[in-house]
Amino acid sequence: AQSVSQHNHHVILSEAASLELGCNYSYGGTVNLFWYVQYPGQHLQLLLKYFSGDPLVKGIKGFEAEFIKSKFSFNLRKPSVQWSDTAEYFCAVNADNYGQNFVFGPGTRLSVLP
Amino acid sequence: EAGVAQSPRYKIIEKRQSVAFWCNPISGHATLYWYQQILGQGPKLLIQFQNNGVVDDSQLPKDRFSAERLKGVDSTLKIQPAKLEDSAVYLCASSLSGQGPYEQYFGPGTRLTVT
Repeated sequence: AQSVSQHNHHVILSEAASLELGCNYSYGGTVNLFWYVQYPGQHLQLLLKYFSGDPLVKGIKGFEAEFIKSKFSFNLRKPSVQWSDTAEYFCAVNADNYGQNFVFGPGTRLSVLP
Repeated sequence: EAGVAQSPRYKIIEKRQSVAFWCNPISGHATLYWYQQILGQGPKLLIQFQNNGVVDDSQLPKDRFSAERLKGVDSTLKIQPAKLEDSAVYLCASSLSGQGPYEQYFGPGTRLTVT
C-alpha cells in the first residue's frame, strides 16, 4: 500500500524567511501529487497539484512544488513566508488516474512569527 | 458556487451510542469521499462513492461504520456503536469524476467526541 511521509511535524519561521516542506511517497508507478492547506478554522483547500509535464508547479499565494521522480519527493516551497501562511499543510498522493486511492500525509504545522 | 455542506458541525455522544453525519456535495460532482481525521494526523479515506456506487471502502470498519449515497447526491455516514477511538473530525469531499485526477473540495467537517 502506498504511504506518504512529511519530514517535519512543526516548523516555526519568522516572516520573510524561506520555506521548504518535505514530502515523500512510496509508490513505484504513476502518481498524481497534491498539497492541501488548512488555515485555522477553515476547510482544507488545494494549494497546488501535479499530474504530468513540467515537474515544477506553481500554486496559489506564491507557493510552488517540485516533483523529483527519482527521489519520490514533492517538496513545497515559498521564498518568503508571511504571517498569514500560518496553517497546517498536507501532502497527498493519488496513485491512479481515476481519483481512487487517495493517501494524505500526517501534515506539517507551520507557525510564522510576525 | 455553493461548497460542500456537512451537518452537524459538532457532536458529543457516549460510547456505544450511534451517530449519523450528513454531507451534500457540490452540485454536479459525481464522486464523494468520507475521511476520518484524528487529531494530529492527516485525513484517512474511509469510503469513496462514484454516483451511488461504492468505489473504495477498504479502510471502512464495516462492523460499526456504514455509509450510503442512495440517489447519487447527498450521503450519510453512520457509526453504531461508537467507541472512544472514533473521536475525530469526519470530513466529506467531492470532485468531478471520469478519467483524470480531479481536485477534491472539502466540507467544514463534523467534530465527533465520544465520551
